[in-house]
Amino acid sequence: DIQMTQSPSTLSASVGDRVTITCRASQTISTWLAWYQQKPGKAPKLLIYKASSLESGVPSRFTGSGSGTEFTLTISSLQPDDFATYYCQQYNSYWTFGQGTKVEIK
Amino acid sequence: EVQLVQSRAEVKKPGESLKISCKGSGYSFTNFWIGWVRQMPGKGLEWMGIIYPGDSDTRYSPSFQGQVTMSADKSISTAYLQWSSLKASDTAMYYCARRSLGYCSGTSCWSAFDIWGQGTMVTVSS
Repeated sequence: DIQMTQSPSTLSASVGDRVTITCRASQTISTWLAWYQQKPGKAPKLLIYKASSLESGVPSRFTGSGSGTEFTLTISSLQPDDFATYYCQQYNSYWTFGQGTKVEIK
Repeated sequence: EVQLVQSRAEVKKPGESLKISCKGSGYSFTNFWIGWVRQMPGKGLEWMGIIYPGDSDTRYSPSFQGQVTMSADKSISTAYLQWSSLKASDTAMYYCARRSLGYCSGTSCWSAFDIWGQGTMVTVSS
């Protein structure tokens, strides 16, 4: 099984901040990585696929990068709507999610 | 509009059986895999398994193999997740999600989940 580890688990930030979340895979997954945003009581929403491709309709302040085992999600200027929990997911071999990173208001 | 609509919340007793549903619309239901994801209260997302409605080909996560059964009725564009004997530890939100077409090479394909249902909360309590 491929394990996914996100850091940090919680991140406190202010509106306008640049925010970076890291995701590590236990073995190489090429660029078969997605990022999701989940708000309380809502279903996850796909933001990024294939490590750096932006899903249609997702604001350009979200960018993904990385390959192999190290990946990052960056929000260039945090907006009020961005306070949520973010999950990475590998799909190189079936599907595995990271444990999540909660972005909260500082 | 492409969407997945799940059945309503359920409250059950330990030992009871349950079948929840996920109905797709706005796209060719038979041509896309449907995955199921569990989220226990206050916890993260866990992939449970996936089914191809076109021929009911099913793959289970080892963690859920033998614990649940996935099925689909392509005639009504609906996927199902069922339990034969619920436990308190099955209490969770369950999401269905469409696997996108993604990228394929030969018989292998790689894709994320692009459309999600709204979730079905299952509560198991005596």
